[in-house]
Amino acid sequence: EAQVTQNPRYLITVTGKKLTVTCSQNMNHEYMSWYRQDPGLGLRQIYYSMNVEVTDKGDVPEGYKVSRKEKRNFPLILESPSPNQTSLYFCASSLTAVFRGGLGEQYFGPGTRLTVT
Amino acid sequence: GIQVEQSPPDLILQEGANSTLRCNFSDSVNNLQWFHQNPWGQLINLFYIPSGTKQNGRLSATTVATERYSLLYISSSQTTDSGVYFCAVSFNTGGFKTIFGAGTRLFVKA
Repeated sequence: EAQVTQNPRYLITVTGKKLTVTCSQNMNHEYMSWYRQDPGLGLRQIYYSMNVEVTDKGDVPEGYKVSRKEKRNFPLILESPSPNQTSLYFCASSLTAVFRGGLGEQYFGPGTRLTVT
Repeated sequence: GIQVEQSPPDLILQEGANSTLRCNFSDSVNNLQWFHQNPWGQLINLFYIPSGTKQNGRLSATTVATERYSLLYISSSQTTDSGVYFCAVSFNTGGFKTIFGAGTRLFVKA
């Protein structure tokens, strides 16, 4: 089954304790992205990756790191989490339809609910 | 940067009614998607529609890229249609950034 998976689905942690949220897709998509969703602020893009070893900042990259060493995986790293990073996080992937000049349809993972105390 | 506005912000319908949700965007975009977020938080793909019209059952969507808007039509609404509907646009900045609208919260009464 074609899908985007995220782990863990739920996480409660303490301020300053490094954590990684994994994201994996099995559709051979070039493009992957992370979003966070907060009440009143909606969904905002954190980082995206056009392909292996190519990453770029979205609108809210502060406090996050990413890496893209393999095409299928795009982990989100919080090196020193703070309470303001409590949020619902989504990973997504897509084909890059460069020949049409646009991004393909994005498919989203189930979300990771993170609480930082 | 590009602004994405959705209207109405909230909508209450009686089961069986029809509705139209709107998404306006402030500049040229490469693509547009509509999503439904169910009460469990899952984002469900509805339409990938950079331009033109598509239909899927009781739902249809139209994007007029030259006029910078998209419409999502829901006909014969059902209680399971309740949730939040988002549009999202992607645009080329050297890479592809994505901006979501604030959403339309729909509640369908039985």
